[in-house]
Amino acid sequence: GENVEQHPSTLSVQEGDSAVIKCTYSDSASNYFPWYKQELGKRPQLIIDIRSNVGEKKDQRIAVTLNKTAKHFSLHITETQPEDSAVYFCAAISSYNQGGKLIFGQGTELSVKP
Amino acid sequence: DTEVTQTPKHLVMGMTNKKSLKCEQHMGHRAMYWYKQKAKKPPELMFVYSYEKLSINESVPSRFSPECPNSSLLNLHLHALQPEDSALYLCASSHQTTFSGNTIYFGEGSWLTVV
Repeated sequence: GENVEQHPSTLSVQEGDSAVIKCTYSDSASNYFPWYKQELGKRPQLIIDIRSNVGEKKDQRIAVTLNKTAKHFSLHITETQPEDSAVYFCAAISSYNQGGKLIFGQGTELSVKP
Repeated sequence: DTEVTQTPKHLVMGMTNKKSLKCEQHMGHRAMYWYKQKAKKPPELMFVYSYEKLSINESVPSRFSPECPNSSLLNLHLHALQPEDSALYLCASSHQTTFSGNTIYFGEGSWLTVV
């Protein structure tokens, strides 16, 4: 079945620096890759997603890139701010015969120091 | 509006109690989900309802019993839970099931403590 690996597990940056989180997936049939941000004590919130027919997507300071050949996708946050501190989860959709389920990576705890 | 509402926000129950978690969405979504989440870990899928029918049960113990009374409501009935069941329980919904690449929207969650 689908497996999603996420690195690093923790990431500490200075305010204003960039942060990059990387994920790899195993199922070449996966076609949808969302990223969720979860602040302490709150729900996971979708921050950006990308579909397999697109190589890159950007929304203000956040961008996601997808390399289908290598089966990896990355989240890029520029000009980080303390409020970006949270746990970030990548995810991929498993193929239909695996139930079409959302498979999460293990999460990255991002800390942005003022 | 991407609102999924869950009640209660916090629940403390004994191992012999029976309680229920409730979830509601008014986005017209036809897929609803229950996830369990431990601190700083990814959400773990428990159940999926598609068009009000149970489509996925991830081998969840029978002490958790889901119910979908209508297309807007999803319940999770709890009975004879164990302390290790203490977690954040997240309800979610999507337009249709995730296979079609539909975005999942999570509720705020119900924090459950089993004593």
